[in-house]
Amino acid sequence: NAGVTQTPKFQVLKTGQSMTLQCAQDMNHNSMYWYRQDPGMGLRLIYYSASEGTTDKGEVPNGYNVSRLNKREFSLRLESAAPSQTSVYFCASRLQGRYGYTFGSGTRLTVV
Amino acid sequence: QKEVEQDPGPLSVPEGAIVSLNCTYSNSAFQYFMWYRQYSRKGPELLMYTYSSGNKEDGRFTAQVDKSSKYISLFIRDSQPSDSATYLCAMSANSGGGADGLTFGKGTHLIIQP
Repeated sequence: NAGVTQTPKFQVLKTGQSMTLQCAQDMNHNSMYWYRQDPGMGLRLIYYSASEGTTDKGEVPNGYNVSRLNKREFSLRLESAAPSQTSVYFCASRLQGRYGYTFGSGTRLTVV
Repeated sequence: QKEVEQDPGPLSVPEGAIVSLNCTYSNSAFQYFMWYRQYSRKGPELLMYTYSSGNKEDGRFTAQVDKSSKYISLFIRDSQPSDSATYLCAMSANSGGGADGLTFGKGTHLIIQP
């Protein structure tokens, strides 16, 4: 099915470990986004990419890096995980000129 | 003060009732307004979008924007148990591109009782 695919769906990390969250979309969308969702905080933008080769910081970029590998794929890396990064991470994409974002089903990350 | 305020609920209503969900905002630059529905352990899905002030209807759903009051609403008519979800309002000053992305409310958890 067309859409946004995120892997893994669940992950438990120890403090200080690193990992990469993967995101791929097959809708030929231009823009891609990484959000985190925390109870009582709503969705907050971490990084965004308007097109292949470009990335910009969002509201909460500290502790994260991103790579827009090609038009389809946008990965989020935690270099040294901290308990404060325990969250649900959503990747989203948008076709230029359209309003709506298409979200993936999320990655539930716990850092202990 | 957060840019977008939304009552987290839960809001519990009987099946068939009319549901009203609301958000207020402080940034007068917001022009694009959206409502997303999020089922438990799923990603948000776009339900409605409007540009500037006015109403928009789609089936049982009606979105209203009052920019003078900085207030948006989503109405659900003939509510069904399948409407039980968290509803997120979202808005932006541009059409959604740019580093600002969308500014989301925290979401209202809606429960439709059979």
